[in-house]
Amino acid sequence: ETGVTQTPRHLVMGMTNKKSLKCEQHLGHNAMYWYKQSAKKPLELMFVYSLEERVENNSVPSRFSPECPNSSHLFLHLHTLQPEDSALYLCASSQEYLAGDTQYFGPGTRLTVL
Amino acid sequence: AQSVTQLGSHVSVSEGALVLLRCNYSSSVPPYLFWYVQYPNQGLQLLLKYTSAATLVKGINGFEAEFKKSETSFHLTKPSAHMSDAAEYFCAVSDGTSGNTPHVFGKGTRLSVIA
Repeated sequence: ETGVTQTPRHLVMGMTNKKSLKCEQHLGHNAMYWYKQSAKKPLELMFVYSLEERVENNSVPSRFSPECPNSSHLFLHLHTLQPEDSALYLCASSQEYLAGDTQYFGPGTRLTVL
Repeated sequence: AQSVTQLGSHVSVSEGALVLLRCNYSSSVPPYLFWYVQYPNQGLQLLLKYTSAATLVKGINGFEAEFKKSETSFHLTKPSAHMSDAAEYFCAVSDGTSGNTPHVFGKGTRLSVIA
């Protein structure tokens, strides 16, 4: 595997379910990101981890819970979601958490909440 | 605070015609500027990046962008559109000032190419 991978690619869940999204980067990067992309809003940054420490949490509801066990893996744990949480969830990584660093994106997980 | 405005949520061009996608930014310090492309069912990938080394930046797939400080613009161009260029394009700014996230993205411009 190369680059940034995300699993699953598609997920349908009920409002009472608990599920997790997984992201893995094979680039040796130190920073990882979760974004939400929905049709009605621009790309929204949710969480940032740098060297496995959370450095940003942009007012995301507590029903989204991130986890970064090591610099290569990032999870997004989901519970009691709402239909408006249906979106494409993108994971990205960069060499460092620096302004000029290019971000490398995974293909995303398409989430549908029923 | 840094911000990005992409003019036009949808641009349509004929195959072989010039592509021009507009991006204006706001930043209190010299910024880094990026163009990313997103093909259907894929994540974003870097087209090109401005880092102050040269005002005209060449990217992949024949795209280029020119940094114009006086106009606070970083428009993306390609001389001749190809059907495979149909995608969503995002401009992003990053200036690294304290408290700012690495990238602030524009809302995106969807490019359609007509045969």
